[in-house]
Order: sequence, then structure tokens, then C-alpha cells
Amino acid sequence: DAGITQSPRHKVTETGTPVTLRCHQTENHRYMYWYRQDPGHGLRLIHYSYGVKDTDKGEVSDGYSVSRSKTEDFLLTLESATSSQTSVYFCAISETGPTTGELFFGEGSRLTVL
Amino acid sequence: KQEVTQIPAALSVPEGENLVLNCSFTDSAIYNLQWFRQDPGKGLTSLLLIQSSQREQTSGRLNASLDKSSGRSTLYIAASQPGDSATYLCAAISNDYKLSFGAGTTVTVRA
Repeated sequence: DAGITQSPRHKVTETGTPVTLRCHQTENHRYMYWYRQDPGHGLRLIHYSYGVKDTDKGEVSDGYSVSRSKTEDFLLTLESATSSQTSVYFCAISETGPTTGELFFGEGSRLTVL
Repeated sequence: KQEVTQIPAALSVPEGENLVLNCSFTDSAIYNLQWFRQDPGKGLTSLLLIQSSQREQTSGRLNASLDKSSGRSTLYIAASQPGDSATYLCAAISNDYKLSFGAGTTVTVRA
């Protein structure tokens, strides 16, 4: 199994509070991704990173920001959580990028915003 | 925009039967297609990655084919077992480097 650790695995928070989810990898892969999975919508890309300090938006990036200061860590921040951000968040990594690289996923972080 | 469809949404088969899972995509200009397995409450496990230049990939009891011209990929699982019960998702990488997922097919293998 790819060495991907997400934390926290479960979190309950209130509307308006900031939340940070962490993805840590031990594979030294260049590319890292944050997805959310919702019933009826499948998996949707939030943000991705193609190197340290290099990030870009995905299809559902509004309300989210990311940072990558080290190869192994990719942080997803909800500046002010809303109920619509209740979801399961998955981190993924790939070695060679989206056109050739196999994607490996973490176990997910379940976030509930009350 | 790439649309990926998986039909049926759910499938129930007796143990030992071969499984055939379908994945269709609207834009044939893809870089690769990947099949995943997801168990309840878990992350996605990569099963097979097929590059656009390939027509199939095999791993053990799993075989995946890719027909770009018709916009289809098929995952075959031979001699199904109860442990194969899970949701299977396909995902296609398009020319805009975006990965588009299907909604998945939930498989139940009855003992």
C-alpha cells in the first residue's frame, strides 16, 4: 500500500470555524491531490499540487485553499466551514503526473459541519 | 466536458460467476483510464491503469480492456468471490489533465 496518511480521519465542527486537513506521504511523489466524495456527485477535484509551493485549482475549489511547503505534506484549509462542505475528503498522490501516473488514495477524512 | 458513466449502478452475482463491469466516456481523447475498488468507509484502491496506447491490462483474475474509438472500457473479474464485493469506479484522464470519475458499480457476490 502507498504510504499516505490523512488526519484527522473524522472531524465534527461548526459553521464558520476554520478547518485544516492534512495529507502526509512517504512515497516522495511529486503530485498530490485533494478530492471530495459526495453521494450523487462522485469524486470531484478540489485542488492539486505539482511540486513544493506549486498548486492549482480543481473543479470545486471555492471555499478551499491549499498549501504545500514540503514534498510530503499537502494541507487543505476551509477558511470558514459551511454545511455544504460536509463530505468525505480524499488525498491522492501520483509519481509522474495526471497523464501517465497511477493514482493512489488515502483512507479519507470525514468532515461534518453543523 | 468529459462525462464518465458506469452501468449498472449495482450488480449481484453468485460466487464463481465472471463479472463484467462497464465504463463509458464521452471524449475519446484520453491519456489513460484507471479502475479502482472502494470498500465501504475506505479509500480507493488502484486496480489497473491502462494507458491510451494500450488495449488491455491484466492482473491476476482482473482484466481491463480499453476501446478509445467507442469510448468504452470493461473490467472483467474471473471466478468472482465474496471478497470481491465492493464498489468499482473507473476514471478517465482527458486532454485537459482532468480526472473524471464514474459514479461506480456496487458489486455483491453471494456465497
